[in-house]
Amino acid sequence: GAGVSQSPSNKVTEKGKDVELRCDPISGHTALYWYRQSLGQGLEFLIYFQGNSAPDKSGLPSDRFSAERTGGSVSTLTIQRTQQEDSAVYLCASSFKGSTEAFFGQGTRLTVV
Amino acid sequence: ILNVEQSPQSLHVQEGDSTNFTCSFPSSNFYALHWYRWETAKSPEALFVMTLNGDEKKKGRISATLNTKEGYSYLYIKGSQPEDSATYLCASITDKLIFGTGTRLQVFP
Repeated sequence: GAGVSQSPSNKVTEKGKDVELRCDPISGHTALYWYRQSLGQGLEFLIYFQGNSAPDKSGLPSDRFSAERTGGSVSTLTIQRTQQEDSAVYLCASSFKGSTEAFFGQGTRLTVV
Repeated sequence: ILNVEQSPQSLHVQEGDSTNFTCSFPSSNFYALHWYRWETAKSPEALFVMTLNGDEKKKGRISATLNTKEGYSYLYIKGSQPEDSATYLCASITDKLIFGTGTRLQVFP
């Protein structure tokens, strides 16, 4: 596609349920990033993919969070047993390679009730 | 994870004022420094990608400078307009993009 696409745009889920967030990067972009923005906070780094591998998972806040990327393209971020503190906007970005300008999706607003 | 810091956290200026903000980053293993503009209800968009010490970039009324030896970059806005109101993020790159917490600029008419 022309830009980075994220789905869903909004998700309301009950505490304890699992959720899956999807990111479709710009075609040909090898680097893919997940960030989240909690209310009143800045952009928190979660995970970075180069191709299909994740050289840096250090930002994942707990073992309830996991992410994968297949075919060097689409990535899914999975949050298991969601908690209220997981409520945030989850942003995905891709870049041609790790050092070049990143393009962001519109984000997924997750609300855990 | 790198520590990228931005100051001030927020800034309120009158239309027509010029302003500047600072981004500081660890100077070791430097690869590139990005500036992004993030408007409310939108996604961040890149303003500048800077790689060389002494780099100066300009886009309209907005410009940026880079000092890789001391680990800082300045973003300048000349003659601020209400449409400049946004959060300005910088990001330091070694192998991945790490963002500062941003400077929230509000320009009053």
